[in-house]
Amino acid sequence: QVQLQESGPGLVKPSQTLSLTCTVSGGSISSGSYYWSWIRQPAGKGLEWIGRIYTSGSTNYNPSLKSRVTISVDTSKNQFSLKLSSVTAADTAVYYCARVLDYGGNSGVSDYWGQGTLVTVSS
Amino acid sequence: EIVLTQSPDFQSVTPKEKVTITCRASQSIGSSLHWYQQKPDQSPKLLIKYASQSISGVPSRFSGSGSGTDFTLTINSLEAEDAATYYCHQSSSLPWTFGQGTKVEIK
Repeated sequence: QVQLQESGPGLVKPSQTLSLTCTVSGGSISSGSYYWSWIRQPAGKGLEWIGRIYTSGSTNYNPSLKSRVTISVDTSKNQFSLKLSSVTAADTAVYYCARVLDYGGNSGVSDYWGQGTLVTVSS
Repeated sequence: EIVLTQSPDFQSVTPKEKVTITCRASQSIGSSLHWYQQKPDQSPKLLIKYASQSISGVPSRFSGSGSGTDFTLTINSLEAEDAATYYCHQSSSLPWTFGQGTKVEIK
């Protein structure tokens, strides 16, 4: 069974760049019919989709974050990563990585999620 | 951006009762609507995909219906372990969005 695990600093200073990695185990990140995404959730609040990446490297981002977000993939390490620049306190959240089952076009469903990692933005 | 509005925001329910949560989309999304369950300090768990398709390992008391703009998650005969927050999620158009969540409490 596929498992996803987020890793990275739990504390980031304002104006710096948040960097997280999601390691996929139990299957190849390059397996057909899947792509990969990041979602975040501020404490006590709802879920916000950040973006997605295909193993080809093609990406889509939430316009609300697009100018600050970069998602990349390293198939040799079975990992994909998130970078969010110029962070503020509003970026404090639990960040989840997820596998997306591809249904074609814009559609897909996130069927497996990592356990999430809390990132706090504070000086 | 497609806005998903869930109702109610909160529901306090007795075990064995039936629970109905609705999700309304700001524009038609076909059947590209999924339901998740999230318990405290856990990641979301997929319950229903594409409005009504069941997920292996999810109890049969969970079911979904709807298409277009109006969707429903039904929990038949609620059990104590179903206490959680439930989210709808659309993947019809980018950016993907989530409903605000419905918290289900067990009386």
